Amino acid sequence: EAQVTQNPRYLITVTGKKLTVTCSQNMNHEYMSWYRQDPGLGLRQIYYSMNVEVTDKGDVPEGYKVSRKEKRNFPLILESPSPNQTSLYFCASRWDSLNTGELFFGEGSRLTVL
Amino acid sequence: AQRVTQPEKLLSVFKGAPVELKCNYSYSGSPELFWYVQYSRQRLQLLLRHISRESIKGFTADLNKGETSFHLKKPFAQEEDSAMYYCAVTDSWGKLQFGAGTQVVVTP
Repeated sequence: EAQVTQNPRYLITVTGKKLTVTCSQNMNHEYMSWYRQDPGLGLRQIYYSMNVEVTDKGDVPEGYKVSRKEKRNFPLILESPSPNQTSLYFCASRWDSLNTGELFFGEGSRLTVL
Repeated sequence: AQRVTQPEKLLSVFKGAPVELKCNYSYSGSPELFWYVQYSRQRLQLLLRHISRESIKGFTADLNKGETSFHLKKPFAQEEDSAMYYCAVTDSWGKLQFGAGTQVVVTP
């Protein structure tokens, strides 16, 4: 089944404890992206990747890192999480970076930073 | 700055009544527009895109370039339409910008 898979789905952590949210897609998509969803603010892009080893900042990149060593994986790294990073995170992928086709989303990862 | 505006945070309608979700955008060039939907406890999924001109689940959306709007409409709302709806715009570089979302609640 074609899908985008995120892990963990739920995580409670403490300030400063590094964590990684993994994202994997099995559709051979070139483009991958991370969003955070907050009430009243909608979806805001954190980072995106046009292809392997090509990443760029989105609208709210502060406090996050990403890597794209393989086409299928695009992990989101919080080196030193803070409470303002408590949010619902979505990974998404699309066929290619300039194609305006459908964006496929993961199920979301709800992160709470205490 | 490029923007997508959904003025209504919450829209409550009765079953069988028409529903219209507003979306306005400010983009240069010829953007592509989408509506995404998120049902309770499910992932976001594409509802429709303007270039396909399809009607999905009874919803339609017309691109009005003069008013820079892409409102989503359905003549008769159903309870299963209760969800969060996001308008999204892709610029010529492929960057997708989402609006803040509109929560639709359809009551029987």
